Amino acid sequence: AQSVTQLGSHVSVSEGALVLLRCNYSSSVPPYLFWYVQYPNQGLQLLLKYTSAATLVKGINGFEAEFKKSETSFHLTKPSAHMSDAAEYFCAVITGFQKLVFGTGTRLLVSP
Amino acid sequence: EAGVTQFPSHSVIEKGQTVTLRCDPISGHDNLYWYRRVMGKEIKFLLHFVKESKQDESGMPNNRFLAERTGGTYSTLKVQPAELEDSGVYFCASSQGADRVTDTQYFGPGTRLTVL
Repeated sequence: AQSVTQLGSHVSVSEGALVLLRCNYSSSVPPYLFWYVQYPNQGLQLLLKYTSAATLVKGINGFEAEFKKSETSFHLTKPSAHMSDAAEYFCAVITGFQKLVFGTGTRLLVSP
Repeated sequence: EAGVTQFPSHSVIEKGQTVTLRCDPISGHDNLYWYRRVMGKEIKFLLHFVKESKQDESGMPNNRFLAERTGGTYSTLKVQPAELEDSGVYFCASSQGADRVTDTQYFGPGTRLTVL
């Protein structure tokens, strides 16, 4: 069965610092991977997705993620955090039956 | 273009009562999904409609949950009778194509259900 694991339920950074949110996947077939973000009182919004076209995927709001098969990882990064990045971030893998399997989420806290 | 909408945004009910959640997908989207997040846990898949047909309902917890999608448009998720463990946030999502695994699923804001 396909799954993802997010390391760290909470990550705290200062404004302007590097953001690194970790996601490792488990899959017996080449995975399709997603990062979603949930801002307070809103639904989940797609940040980016990996569909095997390129290992480095650029998303919205300056985020990017790199697919590393050797490490079974798909970590999310942003060079410089902004206060508006404070939200909960979810890594997910999609199965062949079109259902998303989510990690437990990582809440990003950004301090001034 | 309107996004996925869900109603109500919050619902507080007593154990044993019935609650019906509604989801309106993006117009023209054939695929409609329900997911649920129980407090502190991961978001879990409940079921998937393609138009009006249930494609996959493997995530439905038990027969107290009934989902319908009338005419391939909006969907309802009824919980009857509600139990304490049904509390959580219920998300609806929709996507366009019927055969493309990587189509983006667009999520609604969720319905927060509290069962007392």
